[in-house]
Amino acid sequence: SQKIEQNSEALNIQEGKTATLTCNYTNYSPAYLQWYRQDPGRGPVFLLLIRENEKEKRKERLKVTFDTTLKQSLFHITASQPADSATYLCALTTSGTYKYIFGTGTRLKVLA
Amino acid sequence: GAGVSQSPRYKVAKRGQDVALRCDPISGHVSLFWYQQALGQGPEFLTYFQNEAQLDKSGLPSDRFFAERPEGSVSTLKIQRTQQEDSAVYLCASSPRAQGLYTYSNQPQHFGDGTRLSIL
Repeated sequence: SQKIEQNSEALNIQEGKTATLTCNYTNYSPAYLQWYRQDPGRGPVFLLLIRENEKEKRKERLKVTFDTTLKQSLFHITASQPADSATYLCALTTSGTYKYIFGTGTRLKVLA
Repeated sequence: GAGVSQSPRYKVAKRGQDVALRCDPISGHVSLFWYQQALGQGPEFLTYFQNEAQLDKSGLPSDRFFAERPEGSVSTLKIQRTQQEDSAVYLCASSPRAQGLYTYSNQPQHFGDGTRLSIL
């Protein structure tokens, strides 16, 4: 069956360290993969998008990689700050459907 | 500019009642999505509108769920004869352009903050 998996356990890291979140997908062949941030009681906010022919994408302290062989995307936050604490969601779309498929999200907590 | 607005933010209803949830997308956005998000889970797709046309309703859980966007802007999600399992956060998202069916989309979605629905 088709599914997207993200770390189900919360990730706690020390301020200043690099946080790495994973998104694994099975039985999809997405051409684009997106990452969103969601704070409690709020809707998701778009962060980054990466295409299948891009190995890496950066935006300020954020970096996303996309390995279509491993069927995996990694999301990195460098020099993490307590304000980065949130749930991070990956999402993809597939051909033949209008829908976006979201992962379950990974809760990140950056400790001061 | 104004983002996606959803109302009400919270809704409590008794089992069996009908509810209506409203979404005001960003002005001029062609695409509109509804999602259902259970606690601790990611958003799950319900339906997609391109302007006023409902092109995909494959995610609606049952025929008790109905969505419309009659003038291609504001959308309403209606749930009839609510049941306890309908309790969730309902999110609306909009995007500037049409979503392709056989071409992959590279559009970010702009989400509202959702309506938290509790069925007693």
